[in-house]
Amino acid sequence: NAGVTQTPKFRILKIGQSMTLQCTQDMNHNYMYWYRQDPGMGLKLIYYSVGAGITDKGEVPNGYNVSRSTTEDFPLRLELAAPSQTSVYFCASSYNLEKPEQYFGPGTRLTVT
Amino acid sequence: DAKTTQPNSMESNEEEPVHLPCNHSTISGTDYIHWYRQLPSQGPEYVIHGLTSNVNNRMASLAIAEDRKSSTLILHRATLRDAAVYYCILRIIQGAQKLVFGQGTRLTINP
Repeated sequence: NAGVTQTPKFRILKIGQSMTLQCTQDMNHNYMYWYRQDPGMGLKLIYYSVGAGITDKGEVPNGYNVSRSTTEDFPLRLELAAPSQTSVYFCASSYNLEKPEQYFGPGTRLTVT
Repeated sequence: DAKTTQPNSMESNEEEPVHLPCNHSTISGTDYIHWYRQLPSQGPEYVIHGLTSNVNNRMASLAIAEDRKSSTLILHRATLRDAAVYYCILRIIQGAQKLVFGQGTRLTINP
C-alpha cells in the first residue's frame, strides 16, 4: 500500500491564481481530511469528508473548496490564492470510529507571492 | 472542543524513558485521548489513543489518570528517531473524528 499520497510536493502561486492539491489513499478509508500547518503552529482542519459525496467544513474553510466523488480521492481547490494561504497542507484519512487513527500524507508546501 | 495543555519543550537522553504530560481538565466522558507525533518535515504520525484504561502498543504506553483530567505518554526507551513534536488531542467519539491540534511538546533526545 502507498498509503496517503499528495501532489505536488511544492508549489509557488501568484496572488489570484488557482490550483488543486491532489490527495489519494489506497486503504479503502471512509474518512478523509485536509489540514494546513503554518510555521511553528499545530495543524488546523480545513475540510473533511465522511464518505463519497459527503463533505463538511472544518475550522478554517474560507478560500477553499473540496469534492469527494470517489472513496480514494479528496482534492482541495484554492480559487483565488492569497498570501495568507502560504502554508503546508496535509491530507489524512481514517477507516471508521472503531479504527480512528488518522494516516497523513507527506504534505504540500505552498507559497503565494 | 475540550482543550489540552502540554509543556512547550522537553529534553531527554537516548535509551532512557520519557514521560510526556498532558492536562485536559475539561475533558468530557465521551472524549478519547489521542497522541500523534510529527517528525521534522513530515506529516503527523499516530502514536496511541485511549478512553479510560491505560494502553500499550509497540510504540508507547498511555497512562490515564483516574479522574481523566490528565494523561502521560511514555516512551520506554527513547532513541534519536523519537525526536519530534508530540501532540495530545481530545477527540469526541461521535461524528467525523475531527482532531484539534494544539502546539504540542517538542521533544529533544540527547545522544
